[in-house]
Amino acid sequence: EIVLTQSPGTLSLSPGERATLSCRASQSVTNNYLAWYQQNPGQAPRLLIYGAFSRATGIPDRFSGSGSGTDFTLTISRLEPEDFAVYYCQQYGSSPQSFGQGTKLEL
Amino acid sequence: QVQLVESGAEVKKPGSSVKVSCKASGGTFVRNYAISWVRQAPGQGLEWMGGITAIFGTVNYAQKFQGRVTITADEPTSTAYMELSSLRSDDTAVYYCAKHNGYALSGFYMDVWGKGTTVTV
Repeated sequence: EIVLTQSPGTLSLSPGERATLSCRASQSVTNNYLAWYQQNPGQAPRLLIYGAFSRATGIPDRFSGSGSGTDFTLTISRLEPEDFAVYYCQQYGSSPQSFGQGTKLEL
Repeated sequence: QVQLVESGAEVKKPGSSVKVSCKASGGTFVRNYAISWVRQAPGQGLEWMGGITAIFGTVNYAQKFQGRVTITADEPTSTAYMELSSLRSDDTAVYYCAKHNGYALSGFYMDVWGKGTTVTV
């Protein structure tokens, strides 16, 4: 099973700043099948990025994904108030699929 | 776009079973897309439980839930189901169904999620 470790656990920033979230896999993610999700309190996760760097439909271009193999990054270039949420990475290249433990982006 | 609607909240006694449904509106999702079930305990992260592929209905369960979880799909009603047995207090969680963007579980990301069903044990 691939274990995903996200860092930091909590990231405290202000609107307009740049956020960099990390996701490290215990072994190489098949075909870089790595997704990022955003979750607000009381809501379901929302797909942001798939295939490590492709933005999902309707996702603003301030969100970008990068990385390959075992190291992946989600970058939010200029934080908006609605971006403060919990972010999860997930690998879907091999079974069982797995999620990171999450990074809380707080104001 | 397909939307997923899960059944209502459940309160169960330890040792019993729960069956949660996930109905799609706006498409033949059971026939064309794989479906996963993901749960989230209070204040915790996301946990993949298992899923079912389209076409052949092959199931794949996380080892943690093997023997306790059963995932099925009914094509005519475009509804997927997740049944969890031998419930314990630590099964208290929100249970989400999610559609993959293709027929298989591996290699296809989860692009549409239901709002979740709260199960309290």
